[in-house]
Amino acid sequence: EDQVTQSPEALRLQEGESSSLNCSYTVSGLRGLFWYRQDPGKGPEFLFTLYSAGEEKEKERLKATLTKKESFLHITAPKPEDSATYLCAVQANSGYSTLTFGKGTMLLVSP
Amino acid sequence: GAVVSQHPSWVICKSGTSVKIECRSLDFQATTMFWYRQFPKQSLMLMATSNEGSKATYEQGVEKDKFLINHASLTLSTLTVTSAHPEDSSFYICSARDSSSGGGYTFGSGTRLTVV
Repeated sequence: EDQVTQSPEALRLQEGESSSLNCSYTVSGLRGLFWYRQDPGKGPEFLFTLYSAGEEKEKERLKATLTKKESFLHITAPKPEDSATYLCAVQANSGYSTLTFGKGTMLLVSP
Repeated sequence: GAVVSQHPSWVICKSGTSVKIECRSLDFQATTMFWYRQFPKQSLMLMATSNEGSKATYEQGVEKDKFLINHASLTLSTLTVTSAHPEDSSFYICSARDSSSGGGYTFGSGTRLTVV
């Protein structure tokens, strides 16, 4: 069974204080690992897809990396508008596979 | 980018009534759409996979007679919660993927259902 564990559950940062969110996963062959941002009362907003170990992707203050067991979402010099819940999901490399989500990390960036 | 529109964004209904939620892919065709349910501070849990022109595939433990899914066109899927009860109150989200763009799965804005 595919599993995704995200840590920490919640993270509070000061504006400009860089940090990383962790996503550990077990999957029977990884087709893709996805990062999403979710604001309260909204649907998830797509950030990145990573496909193989060693891959990195960047978007503004966010950088996602991938190893064979985990992914990190690095947030550099965060701003209050980066406050949200960040979700990680994996898709297995089987014939027909859906996304398995972690519970998310709730990030709060204070000015 | 791909856009998925979901309506309504919130609904309050009386116990025993039915509620329909719509999910539309606005600028792409989606042969497959996904319906999720999310409880506070919990993961998105896949309820069912909606297939255009055929029956939906339900996840284990999801009552297909209670959560009716119709995917009548390549841009529209609907989820009907029948005979709703307070325990059905939750946040329902749909998703689809624009395979032609190679992008990730796009989610709708979600529907907050409250059954009173």
